Amino acid sequence: DAGVIQSPRHEVTEMGQEVTLRCKPISGHDYLFWYRQTMMRGLELLIYFNNNVPIDDSGMPEDRFSAKMPNASFSTLKIQPSEPRDSAVYFCASRSGTETDTQYFGPGTRLTVL
Amino acid sequence: SQQGEEDPQALSIQEGENATMNCSYKTSINNLQWYRQNSGRGLVHLILIRSNEREKHSGRLRVTLDTSKKSSSLLITASRAADTASYFCATDGQYGNKLVFGAGTILRVKS
Repeated sequence: DAGVIQSPRHEVTEMGQEVTLRCKPISGHDYLFWYRQTMMRGLELLIYFNNNVPIDDSGMPEDRFSAKMPNASFSTLKIQPSEPRDSAVYFCASRSGTETDTQYFGPGTRLTVL
Repeated sequence: SQQGEEDPQALSIQEGENATMNCSYKTSINNLQWYRQNSGRGLVHLILIRSNEREKHSGRLRVTLDTSKKSSSLLITASRAADTASYFCATDGQYGNKLVFGAGTILRVKS
């Protein structure tokens, strides 16, 4: 298995622009998580899905952030409009519903908002 | 606030020495996990210890868990330069499927 795939790996955009981050979880995994990592706040859970349904989005910072999972093999995290304080590394992770609680992380998307 | 807090924040040792990192948490847990993150990469799962376990081994890794003190330690024996990375503990606690990560310990192993 190729593991969790994220794209793009790097994104540089200007304030006010829309940003879409993409994630393909490991095939067969029932859970998908979006995290954000910054030096100041560490690793924060933004939202997670179970069987494509959003379960907990309490970590989503504000209405500018939205996430979807239209099918079991694809999820997006959208920021509209983007702001400089959104600059961070965004990770997607997936987990099997039947095995242990281990989460498998993608390589991350480094977002820079100018 | 973060559930897990690691100490030290940074650790620098010589190759061949042992490295010990500690994690404290605040609420009851079902399990505690340790992850490693190499610079510029995603997190990689190292080991999971359940709340009814006290010690677990995996290769050069040894994890202990003391639920009465709400603390865990990760010991890496005979460290190598390739062990240079950030190490995070993560707990599920009252959050169910959600993991809450600590701030991490930056380990540098000098060759």
